[in-house]
Amino acid sequence: AQTVTQSQPEMSVQEAETVTLSCTYDTSESNYYLFWYKQPPSRQMILVIRQEAYKQQNATENRFSVNFQKAAKSFSLKISDSQLGDTAMYFCAFMKRGSQGNLIFGKGTKLSVKP
Amino acid sequence: GAVVSQHPSRVICKSGTSVKIECRSLDFQATTMFWYRQFPKQSLMLMATSNEGSKATYEQGVEKDKFLINHASLTLSTLTVTSAHPEDSSFYICSAKGLAGMSNTGELFFGEGSRLTVL
Repeated sequence: AQTVTQSQPEMSVQEAETVTLSCTYDTSESNYYLFWYKQPPSRQMILVIRQEAYKQQNATENRFSVNFQKAAKSFSLKISDSQLGDTAMYFCAFMKRGSQGNLIFGKGTKLSVKP
Repeated sequence: GAVVSQHPSRVICKSGTSVKIECRSLDFQATTMFWYRQFPKQSLMLMATSNEGSKATYEQGVEKDKFLINHASLTLSTLTVTSAHPEDSSFYICSAKGLAGMSNTGELFFGEGSRLTVL
């Protein structure tokens, strides 16, 4: 069975600075996807970034980038130039490639961006 | 991105009544939809997987007769909480997976969620 672990229940960062959220996972699968989702106070889950396990290159989306270490089963999210609107719960998630789409979520990290 | 809409966003009901929550994919056809439950300050727990035209697959510990799921069309799945009790109060979220091209990316699209309060 796959598990996803987020060891930081809460984090805070000053506006315009950089913050890194940690995520580790455990799986015996070789083909899978990893995701970071954002859940703002409005509660709708928003996809932040996606990584395909077979790609060595780390995914980036504007201010968001990941550090994907497949051997270490680590998938951290770096947010650069943090903005007040980045305040939210961030969930790391795993999906086996070829599955119906079952996402396995970590427990989340509450990020607060302070002015 | 694709849009998934949930309705109602909030519902309050009396204990013993049934409540239906709808999940619609507005601009794509969803072969598979997922229903999650989220307790306050906790992660999303998958309740069931629903495929169009077939019975839903429930996760261990989820009562099939309590949480009825119907996926009658490629754009609509419903979750009915039957004989609701206060412990069923929670935030329910659906997500949808599209047809071939979309599903190859592995991306799911989430609804806005529905907060159920059972008095």
